[in-house]
Amino acid sequence: GAVVSQHPSRVICKSGTSVKIECRSLDFQATTMFWYRQFPKQSLMLMATSNEGSKATYEQGVEKDKFLINHASLTLSTLTVTSAHPEDSSFYICSALGGGGDTQYFGPGTRLTVL
Amino acid sequence: QKEVEQNSGPLSVPEGAIASLNCTYSDRGSQSFFWYRQYSGKSPELIMFIYSNGDKEDGRFTAQLNKASQYVSLLIRDSQPSDSATYLCAVNIQTGANNLFFGTGTRLTVIP
Repeated sequence: GAVVSQHPSRVICKSGTSVKIECRSLDFQATTMFWYRQFPKQSLMLMATSNEGSKATYEQGVEKDKFLINHASLTLSTLTVTSAHPEDSSFYICSALGGGGDTQYFGPGTRLTVL
Repeated sequence: QKEVEQNSGPLSVPEGAIASLNCTYSDRGSQSFFWYRQYSGKSPELIMFIYSNGDKEDGRFTAQLNKASQYVSLLIRDSQPSDSATYLCAVNIQTGANNLFFGTGTRLTVIP
């Protein structure tokens, strides 16, 4: 089956630092990847859609200068949270579009805690 | 504005019973419907998707879609304690999974 990995799985950082999260499709190529954020007891909120070789499409209310997305290859997308603050603490989950477009395969998520 | 509504629960069923999870959506033009399971602290995993009206069965799971009434449901037969999780309904106005809008999920507890 299609596998998506994320790294790191957990990160704790000080306020003001930048954090980079990697999302990889391990056994398939993904021209489209997605980045979600999930706060406790809430559903997934789409932050942006990442297309290989082009700029990401951000959802309304998501600051593109704060959440930098790079999709440089068909198997790797990265999300960089710049100048992180405590309110950015959340569970960040990526997914990759596979199955001929029928399925989003989710990575295991990254729990970010900003002190 | 797209809305996907789910009863947050918790829904409790005894082991071996049928669990019924419901989801309604606001955009009548929606084409694709997905059910994901999410264990606490983990990311969602796909259970199944359905595009056409009617029932679609996969093992103990059955998805039911009624586009006229704008609802999709998930039935879990012979519920097991390991089915205890939050079940997320996701909807796309297009065919496929490229633009999913998620509901808030229903928490299911299967009591041994």
